[in-house]
Amino acid sequence: DTGVSQNPRHKITKRGQNVTFRCDPISEHNRLYWYRQTLGQGPEFLTYFQNEAQLEKSRLLSDRFSAERPKGSFSTLEIQRTEQGDSAMYLCASREDSRRAQYFGPGTRLLVL
Amino acid sequence: EDQVTQSPEALRLQEGESSSLNCSYTVSGLRGLFWYRQDPGKGPEFLFTLYSAGEEKEKERLKATLTKKESFLHITAPKPEDSATYLCASLNSNSGYALNFGKGTSLLVTP
Repeated sequence: DTGVSQNPRHKITKRGQNVTFRCDPISEHNRLYWYRQTLGQGPEFLTYFQNEAQLEKSRLLSDRFSAERPKGSFSTLEIQRTEQGDSAMYLCASREDSRRAQYFGPGTRLLVL
Repeated sequence: EDQVTQSPEALRLQEGESSSLNCSYTVSGLRGLFWYRQDPGKGPEFLFTLYSAGEEKEKERLKATLTKKESFLHITAPKPEDSATYLCASLNSNSGYALNFGKGTSLLVTP
């Protein structure tokens, strides 16, 4: 299967702990996106990479959030000092240069206790 | 401010009962209107991209249309397996690279 993959699928952590999520995009998709989705809402944009360059960050992305995409392949999203309000589904999407449609992974569901 | 509004929030249909979901958008410089299907606990699944008013796309029982202010997702003779949340999103000249999603329509099709 060549879809977007995300790990872990579920994460439970205590408030104040750091967590890191991984996204592996569809191979040869240069563009990678992170979104956050809470219950009853549509996904909200967090950040965007073209190859290894982080080109856009949302105002939602506080200083506790950091994302990387070393070598333009997989990406990681780290949340430091987690808060209960960080509980959400974190979605990764990728797309190829010639098309605008983004393809999403299964998401990582985070619960902060 | 660019907005995407979906209606209704929830819709219950009997199997075979056709209907339409609405997506209203107020954007400057639409670069694409996207429809996704999302099952509980899963990521959105891409369905269609529409680029200009008058454009239509079809896939099985689904047909998406676009006007200058709205998009419709028509569901013909739905089956229970069509039950899901349907999300609409816009890509605007002001949003850079990000999709701007509506809250979705939760569709339940009963046998």
